Amino acid sequence: EVQLVQSGAEVKKPGESLKISCKGSGYSFTSYWIGWVRQMPGKGLEWMGIIYPGDSDTRYSPSFQGQVTISADKSISTAYLQWSSLKASDTAMYYCARGVVKDYWGQGTLVTVSS
Amino acid sequence: QSALTQPASVSGSPGQSITISCTGTSSDVGGYNYVSWYQQHPGKAPKLMIYDVSNRPSGVSNRFSGSKSGNTASLTISGLQAEDEADYYCSSYTSSSTPVFGGGTKLTVL
Repeated sequence: EVQLVQSGAEVKKPGESLKISCKGSGYSFTSYWIGWVRQMPGKGLEWMGIIYPGDSDTRYSPSFQGQVTISADKSISTAYLQWSSLKASDTAMYYCARGVVKDYWGQGTLVTVSS
Repeated sequence: QSALTQPASVSGSPGQSITISCTGTSSDVGGYNYVSWYQQHPGKAPKLMIYDVSNRPSGVSNRFSGSKSGNTASLTISGLQAEDEADYYCSSYTSSSTPVFGGGTKLTVL
């Protein structure tokens, strides 16, 4: 069974760093792209970027380029989304999803940034 | 790139059919047969309902169908059921080699 399991909710202060994870199982992790999607409270879905764990080829939406870093560790079938300096406006639910088609989704990680 | 345009809301009675539109440009919807549709219930992760314009993943009801004409893609739900009440998002591949989502449509089953 294909599963994407994300790390738990986080509460952070502005300026802090954060790295959230997405662990894949039940399929060949290195053979599918993994993407990240943001959903701000009460708002729609926004595509952030995508990584191919097989060779770490990474692409970003222009809206998120330079704001976040996407990485992956294929030895443990895990993709990451990280911030070096969080802002209150980063408060959102973040989802990982498999493939360009996004056929399987993680359960989401709620990130709250508040002073 | 700009988000694809979807109606904010649609509604229908049980048993009826509804259609949700998703309008883009020749640089996204019109230029590629890579349109997907996702269903999201409150507090849940999105679920893939249609991919590559009109293909249904295994396990998705055949009441859901997709199509495309020019720069507009459509999701049709026939035989509307209470459980179909959710938010629906379209997504398309773009000429920037990245995908873009629509703004989302809230479906209400009356």
